[in-house]
Amino acid sequence: EVQLVESGGGLVQPGGSLRLSCSASGVTFSSYGLHWVRQAPGKGLEHVSFITSNGGRTYYADSVKGRFTISRDNSKNILYLQMSSLRTEDTAVYYCVKNIYDWTGMDVWGQGTTVTVSS
Amino acid sequence: QAVVTQEPSLTVSPGGTVTLTCGSSTGAVTSVHYCYWFQQKPGQAPRTLIYDTSNKHSWTPARFSGSLLGGKAALTLSGAQPEDEADYYCLLFYNDDRWFFGGGTRLTVL
Repeated sequence: EVQLVESGGGLVQPGGSLRLSCSASGVTFSSYGLHWVRQAPGKGLEHVSFITSNGGRTYYADSVKGRFTISRDNSKNILYLQMSSLRTEDTAVYYCVKNIYDWTGMDVWGQGTTVTVSS
Repeated sequence: QAVVTQEPSLTVSPGGTVTLTCGSSTGAVTSVHYCYWFQQKPGQAPRTLIYDTSNKHSWTPARFSGSLLGGKAALTLSGAQPEDEADYYCLLFYNDDRWFFGGGTRLTVL
């Protein structure tokens, strides 16, 4: 069974940094594109970032471009999201999501990790 | 930046049929948008029901189907069950390597 487990969330002050991780099990991690999606409290879903299977191409939403960096370590089956210059509006549950192909076919979601940006 | 539109709320009777739609501010939704549909129940992570417009995962109940309809993507639920009450989100891919979610549809089975 494929499982994605996010970690690294927590409380951080505005302007601070945090690194989220997403560990995968039950799957050959290196074959699939991966996404980060977030959901602010009581709000809808927002696509944050995407990385191709080999890490060669990345995408960022305008709201996080220049502040967040997505990366992956295929040897360890881990996806990362380095978040810096955090703002109160970055407060959300962050989910990692796996594709079944490189660019398309989103399938399995993690359970999410909560990031709270507050002074 | 594209805006993806969904009905804010819909109601369906148990056993009934309902169609949720997903539109794009840039024009007609087509197969190149690789439309996804997700179901989210309170306190849970979303679950992917449909990918690439009409493909189902192994866990997708047969009563859900995805299609293109009148320039929009559509999710049809045939034979609604009480457990289908949830929020439903669509996601579209755009060819400048962007993905945008719709605002979600709250489906009530009543």
